[in-house]
Amino acid sequence: TQTVSQSDAHVTVFEGDSVELRCNYSYGGSIYLSWYIQHHGRGLQFLLKYYSGNPVVQGVNGFEAEFSKSDSSFHLRKASVHWSDSAVYFCAVNNAGAKLTFGGGTRLTVRP
Amino acid sequence: DMKVTQMPRYLIKRMGENVLLECGQDMSHETMYWYRQDPGLGLQLIYISYDVDSNSEGDIPKGYRVSRKKREHFSLILDSAKTNQTSVYFCASSFRASGNTLYFGEGSRLIVV
Repeated sequence: TQTVSQSDAHVTVFEGDSVELRCNYSYGGSIYLSWYIQHHGRGLQFLLKYYSGNPVVQGVNGFEAEFSKSDSSFHLRKASVHWSDSAVYFCAVNNAGAKLTFGGGTRLTVRP
Repeated sequence: DMKVTQMPRYLIKRMGENVLLECGQDMSHETMYWYRQDPGLGLQLIYISYDVDSNSEGDIPKGYRVSRKKREHFSLILDSAKTNQTSVYFCASSFRASGNTLYFGEGSRLIVV
């Protein structure tokens, strides 16, 4: 069984701040780890994915995430947030199969 | 243009009525999904379809059924809707060789009264 935990339900920062959204997973085999963003009233959109290689992966709009096998983590980071980054962020895990398991989401609020 | 389209976007039905939610994608993705999203419960997988007529139950299939007769279309059917099926329903599709990166539709908000 694969599980995904996003420990922070809400994160609030100011525009220009850096932010880290936390994701921890449990799974025994080879996995894909990904992040999705959901703006209010919209569907989820893919941000980035890790499977192997360089543990730091770059995504769209300045987002990056770092995989850590020892910590079972895949935290999402951005160096300088913009008000338009306010959204809910979901971490997800899947093996080679098609079923993704999503975390509960973290709502990011960026204040001007 | 890579797109997942859901119809209708908003729907109000009476308890006991049938509901049809439709989803189309233009990317020839093999795999399609139906999720529901409720406050505090995140995304829950209802059904997954691996290709035409190759459907599999997800985590919460009770009260739902699906149909996939063409690769680009995937329907979710509620026979005799219940008030606890009030939710936002998302369709998604993915390409197996990409490691199943999901493309989501904009959602269908269903209210059952």
